[in-house]
Amino acid sequence: QKEVEQDPGPLSVPEGAIVSLNCTYSNSAFQYFMWYRQYSRKGPELLMYTYSSGNKEDGRFTAQVDKSSKYISLFIRDSQPSDSATYLCAMSEGTGRRALTFGSGTRLQVQP
Amino acid sequence: DAGVTQSPTHLIKTRGQQVTLRCSPISGHKSVSWYQQVLGQGPQFIFQYYEKEERGRGNFPDRFSARQFPNYSSELNVNALLLGDSALYLCASSWGLQGRNTEAFFGQGTRLTVV
Repeated sequence: QKEVEQDPGPLSVPEGAIVSLNCTYSNSAFQYFMWYRQYSRKGPELLMYTYSSGNKEDGRFTAQVDKSSKYISLFIRDSQPSDSATYLCAMSEGTGRRALTFGSGTRLQVQP
Repeated sequence: DAGVTQSPTHLIKTRGQQVTLRCSPISGHKSVSWYQQVLGQGPQFIFQYYEKEERGRGNFPDRFSARQFPNYSSELNVNALLLGDSALYLCASSWGLQGRNTEAFFGQGTRLTVV
């Protein structure tokens, strides 16, 4: 079983829709949670960075972390065709093992 | 401000050859990490360096090695290349190792093809 599970999609939505992307994890030591956006054949771009449980909002993006359920989410409001990309969740322990552990990515297609 | 820069962007090598990939972190960042991303999967951790010392190693064979220089740039070396080493190699930089300083920013990657 992978430490971080992410639905690979693809997820296809119409422009303007609200998108929900999710990851579950098994390592209770994870404290830092990130979402990256990756366009085809490019490096991942950091979208959201959160510590421990709670919500964080940045423009059209909202990240939620529920450590009790070992579940994180990224919501995209008013989705645009330019949001079409692969979205990767990543997590780290912060101390001790500091490397990022990634999900396999969810491919999102926003239809105009 | 320049982000994380990696070179070369693309590389084609033959099985058995050796390859060196280079990375320059964001100015002021002292930690560099290397990741391998196979098509359709998330990045897998290879190495982390901080202040020129190895601070973490992923589950990769000894054919993979790395180092960090006094200016915090880094090289990843892979010896005796196998077809399975074909991947996007990503470099990430961060301020440090603790807490918020672990926020990682990635370069565009080096796409390595082994034939």
